[in-house]
Parts: sequence; structure tokens; C-alpha cells
Amino acid sequence: EPEVTQTPSHQVTQMGQEVILRCVPISNHLYFYWYRQILGQKVEFLVSFYNNEISEKSEIFDDQFSVERPDGSNFTLKIRSTKLEDSAMYFCASKRDNNQPQHFGDGTRLSIL
Amino acid sequence: TQLLEQSPQFLSIQEGENLTVYCNSSSVFSSLQWYRQEPGEGPVLLVTVVTGGEVKKLKRLTFQFGDARKDSSLHITAAQPGDTGLYLCAGADSGGSNYKLTFGKGTLLTVNP
Repeated sequence: EPEVTQTPSHQVTQMGQEVILRCVPISNHLYFYWYRQILGQKVEFLVSFYNNEISEKSEIFDDQFSVERPDGSNFTLKIRSTKLEDSAMYFCASKRDNNQPQHFGDGTRLSIL
Repeated sequence: TQLLEQSPQFLSIQEGENLTVYCNSSSVFSSLQWYRQEPGEGPVLLVTVVTGGEVKKLKRLTFQFGDARKDSSLHITAAQPGDTGLYLCAGADSGGSNYKLTFGKGTLLTVNP
């Protein structure tokens, strides 16, 4: 069964550095999402992306964050000048069309030191 | 801001018992998904309910969407140790353009042999 794949599984970065989290959505999917889950808390929406542009973003998704679909397969989340509070699991999700459910990757654990 | 409240937060039962997990909101959702999440992995989709009053069955799991599409329940019959895990409900927001998901905090189920 097709899966959403995310790399790396674990990223350790010094505070202030930039990180890029990578996702390969399911191949025929058109809608893409990033969520994060801080340890012990619920999964929170960050951003949705469709037709090569951001459709919606949450209050969390400030100027520090950006997303990109650089080619036909990858969907990336860039975090500039990371802060300690950015430490979390980051999940990528995709769906085929608006009437279908979202499918999630296994996440990237981001640890900011 | 839409909120989903799940109860109970923790549930520990013996193999063979039945259980019900609840997901409640004051908001109406266009659809509601139930996911199961294992430690270190992403949420895995169990079911989507769309129509108010809808009931779906997945082997020993029965999912119900409230008539007003504000609440849902998950009932497990004759629970087995393999059912142990974190169960998440997530509502799809029809107010946005691409139906971002609002998650509950989850119910951590432990089924003891």
C-alpha cells in the first residue's frame, strides 16, 4: 500500500540553525499538510498546500517557517533560526482530493539543543 | 477555534472486555476521522465518518458519528492486547479551503492479557 515517507526520522540541530524536513507524499495525491506534535500534547495543524501554493496556515506557522514542493515528488518544511520550543514530532500528510481522508507519514523527531 | 475533547484520556482494561471512547466538540465538522498511533509512528487511519448518525464497523470496532456531526464514539468489543495503542479522533474543518484536521488529545488504551 502506498505510504507517505518522511526523512530524516530524527534530526538534532543547534538552536539558531536552519532545518529542512522532507516528505514524499503518496504519488497521486494533490493536497499536502504539515502538522506537529510537541511531546505529551495533541497533534496541531501547521499548513496546507495545494496547487503549488499555501492554502491555509495556522498561527504557529509564522515567518520562521516555509514550505516548498521543489519537484513532482518532494514536499519540504523549512524552519529558519530554530528555537528550543520547535522541538517536536513533525508529521507530513497528503490526500488525493478534498473528499478523501489524510494519510500520515511516520514523522521526523526534531530536537533543538 | 475548534476543539475536540476525547474521553477518557487513559483506559486500562482486561482482555475480553468492551469499551467505548468518546470524542466531543461544540463545533460541526464536515467529517471525522479516527486514527491509531503507535509510539514513534504517525497516525494510521482507521475510519472516516461523514454523515450525521452514520455507523461504520471495522471487525470488532464500531464507529458512530453524532446526528449533529459534533461528536463521535468508538466502541471496541472483546478487546485484545493487540488493540493497545493511542486512539485519536480528528475533525475535518469545512471552514477552511482544504479541510485541515483538528485533533483530540487521544485516548491511551491498554488491554492486559
